[in-house]
Amino acid sequence: GAVVSQHPSRVICKSGTSVKIECRSLDFQATTMFWYRQFPKKSLMLMATSNEGSKATYEQGVEKDKFLINHASLTLSTLTVTSAHPEDSSFYICSASKASGGAEQFFGPGTRLTVL
Amino acid sequence: AQKITQTQPGMFVQEKEAVTLDCTYDTSDPSYGLFWYKQPSSGEMIFLIYQGSYDQQNATEGRYSLNFQKARKSANLVISASQLGDSAMYFCAMREHRMGGGADGLTFGKGTHLIIQP
Repeated sequence: GAVVSQHPSRVICKSGTSVKIECRSLDFQATTMFWYRQFPKKSLMLMATSNEGSKATYEQGVEKDKFLINHASLTLSTLTVTSAHPEDSSFYICSASKASGGAEQFFGPGTRLTVL
Repeated sequence: AQKITQTQPGMFVQEKEAVTLDCTYDTSDPSYGLFWYKQPSSGEMIFLIYQGSYDQQNATEGRYSLNFQKARKSANLVISASQLGDSAMYFCAMREHRMGGGADGLTFGKGTHLIIQP
């Protein structure tokens, strides 16, 4: 199989704090991981593309200083929401493509962030 | 303009009936891929089916088939013999080939909320 995990699954934090979300490919190597954001009853919006060993590519309108992405290894990418505010509350989902190729993207179970 | 259009925000279907979920897309890229994902209330994204733009045959995966009409830029999902467990949000998504190669993120439609009734 191709399993992607995310940690934590749910986090509640105070406004102004930073939150780190981990995305791991458990049984495959992923040179590229993607971070999406989903508001309630809305679609997924691609935030950024995370490449192992290089800087992330952010979509238009996504603040790179607000959403820090680090892809330090072939199995781990992290998204840090810095100085979180209530409007950052959302469902954050990562996906990964296999380094060996293939069209499919494998999604993690998501992280629900609530900023008070 | 929207790249992925799903015109059915919600659908009610009787159990065991076939369901067609609509999806149209917009791209000028000759090389692209189309995906359908299911998202139950738990939030996980479950991959259902994939169609490449150069694939000659319509994709099928068990009870799921993709009605790919390239000239019309349409990629409808057909679920045969619907089951109560099929109730969920369904998203159509597209991957376009970007300059420089490498894997590309997906563009999602707004989704269709499918409810299967007993």
